[in-house]
Amino acid sequence: GAVVSQHPSWVICKSGTSVKIECRSLDFQATTMFWYRQFPKQSLMLMATSNEGSKATYEQGVEKDKFLINHASLTLSTLTVTSAHPEDSSFYICSALSHGTGANEKLFFGSGTQLSVL
Amino acid sequence: QQQVKQSPQSLIVQKGGIPIINCAYENTAFDYFPWYQQFPGKGPALLIAIRPDVSEKKEGRFTISFNKSAKQFSLHIMDSQPGDSATYFCAASMRGTGNQFYFGTGTSLTVIP
Repeated sequence: GAVVSQHPSWVICKSGTSVKIECRSLDFQATTMFWYRQFPKQSLMLMATSNEGSKATYEQGVEKDKFLINHASLTLSTLTVTSAHPEDSSFYICSALSHGTGANEKLFFGSGTQLSVL
Repeated sequence: QQQVKQSPQSLIVQKGGIPIINCAYENTAFDYFPWYQQFPGKGPALLIAIRPDVSEKKEGRFTISFNKSAKQFSLHIMDSQPGDSATYFCAASMRGTGNQFYFGTGTSLTVIP
């Protein structure tokens, strides 16, 4: 299947600092990417939908000023957690849509980023 | 509102058994139903997917059964192995809706050697 690369895999930062997570589609162009947050043993919680060249669409309850999303190219979307606090510690996962010809798009996930804020 | 309901929450089977995970949906506009496998600390990986024009799809040891009238679909894992121990998510999507995928709550599968 298609490959989505997410970096870093894990990051530890001090409270108040900002952390940037990158999501790249390596072998296809992704007009749309999604960012999820996942708590231990729970399902995926959609945070925002990222569309290339336009502003991201955030889900209700997600602070857009805290979770900055940039989708500047068809292969790269970034999530920046600004002024991180311990409660932001979580597993963040990106995904990218691979458009098929005349068929449903397939969704491929990155490997996730474990963020720990001290 | 949970668009896709998944059960059971957890499942334990012996090696060689056939675990079955079930999902149900309400929106008849859904036309694509993928299953994802997730290992701890990793992102979900697309396992197998089905469209509503077929009732069954097999890929290796994984089979999806689809019941359009009941709005249900299930994942069967034949000859399960300890390496299949993971969390499985079903999902549903429809074309032309902004491409959003709706996920089930996940099933933690443990295959005992």
